[in-house]
Amino acid sequence: SQQGEEDPQALSIQEGENATMNCSYKTSINNLQWYRQNSGRGLVHLILIRSNEREKHSGRLRVTLDTSKKSSSLLITASRAADTASYFCATVWNDYKLSFGAGTTVTVRA
Amino acid sequence: GAGVSQSPSNKVTEKGKDVELRCDPISGHTALYWYRQSLGQGLEFLIYFQGNSAPDKSGLPSDRFSAERTGGSVSTLTIQRTQQEDSAVYLCASSSAGDTEAFFGQGTRLTVV
Repeated sequence: SQQGEEDPQALSIQEGENATMNCSYKTSINNLQWYRQNSGRGLVHLILIRSNEREKHSGRLRVTLDTSKKSSSLLITASRAADTASYFCATVWNDYKLSFGAGTTVTVRA
Repeated sequence: GAGVSQSPSNKVTEKGKDVELRCDPISGHTALYWYRQSLGQGLEFLIYFQGNSAPDKSGLPSDRFSAERTGGSVSTLTIQRTQQEDSAVYLCASSSAGDTEAFFGQGTRLTVV
């Protein structure tokens, strides 16, 4: 399966701390995306990094991509209670196939 | 519309009945996806549309599942003779092209009793 695998499965941090989660995948990709899901319903797109990019920033989010290791990381800096959610990496391959991993559940404690 | 709209939000059906789930993608988006998510799990790919055609139906779990898309817009996912294992949240997403960011609807929570 091309599905990404996130690590860790769950993460609990104190408000203000940084949260890091990792994603590994299996085959060549067009791009890799990170999504957030609150309350088990719709997903919200966070950031997209193309296969020829190594790092990307968006607000408090930093994403890295290492295509040689077929891995990516998502860093959330200065976490807030509102960051509590499940985070999914998704790879796009064959130009359209958007495949999701099982997700990392992040809990930010006040 | 402003976003991807799915209906109904929740559906409770009896085992053996057929159900239809609807997805209204963002206007102009040619790519449309259906996923299934069981409680606490990741997203399971079901089917991909490019325009009205479905070049990838590889994720449909059985021949009880079918989907169509008309006018390059609205899509319907049909589950025939529902089983309890079909209970899940069904999510629809659309994007302007197959390799760009996807926008998700709020999903339909299907419960088969």
